[in-house]
Amino acid sequence: DVKVTQSSRYLVKRTGEKVFLECVQDMDHENMFWYRQDPGLGLRLIYFSYDVKMKEKGDIPEGYSVSREKKERFSLILESASTNQTSMYLCASSAGDGLPIYGYTFGSGTRLTVV
Amino acid sequence: RKEVEQDPGPFNVPEGATVAFNCTYSNSASQSFFWYRQDCRKEPKLLMSVYSSGNEDGRFTAQLNRASQYISLLIRDSKLSDSATYLCVVNRGYSTLTFGKGTMLLVSP
Repeated sequence: DVKVTQSSRYLVKRTGEKVFLECVQDMDHENMFWYRQDPGLGLRLIYFSYDVKMKEKGDIPEGYSVSREKKERFSLILESASTNQTSMYLCASSAGDGLPIYGYTFGSGTRLTVV
Repeated sequence: RKEVEQDPGPFNVPEGATVAFNCTYSNSASQSFFWYRQDCRKEPKLLMSVYSSGNEDGRFTAQLNRASQYISLLIRDSKLSDSATYLCVVNRGYSTLTFGKGTMLLVSP
């Protein structure tokens, strides 16, 4: 089974801090994604990447950046954390370079609280 | 029209009941369809893909109606363990997926 591992399950950070969320997948997937999930808003796509060093903006990229230096690792960076970035962050990966016919596999999520 | 729309529920059903969820999507060019299940405070997990001809996996049946841009999930003989939120998922672009906000199911003894 594909395993997607997120480095922290719970995280508490202060406003203004730079925050790194790490995600690693072990099945050589080309595609990796970062979503946030909030009550009433569902999952919203922040950034995604089709390959090493490639990144694409999703629907809500403001306040975030990403890094993909190695195929298996996709990092989400909150440049200056704010309270409205308190959320559940979910990393996902998928195989192939076309339609996601097998869907995504998600990590277990990082629940970030910014105080 | 929203990209993916679902009734948020909750759907309250007794054990053993049959329950159906529906979902509509706006992009007629979409080609990949899924149902995911999400337990409280956990990550979404793939329940099943949805194929044009319809498909079944045990107690779960998924149907796709491309003409009406409509996807359904039928759960027969509901179990307590089926209580969860069910997310309808449709591909947006070449490899990105759009998730509905989910339909909550509560199965009671």
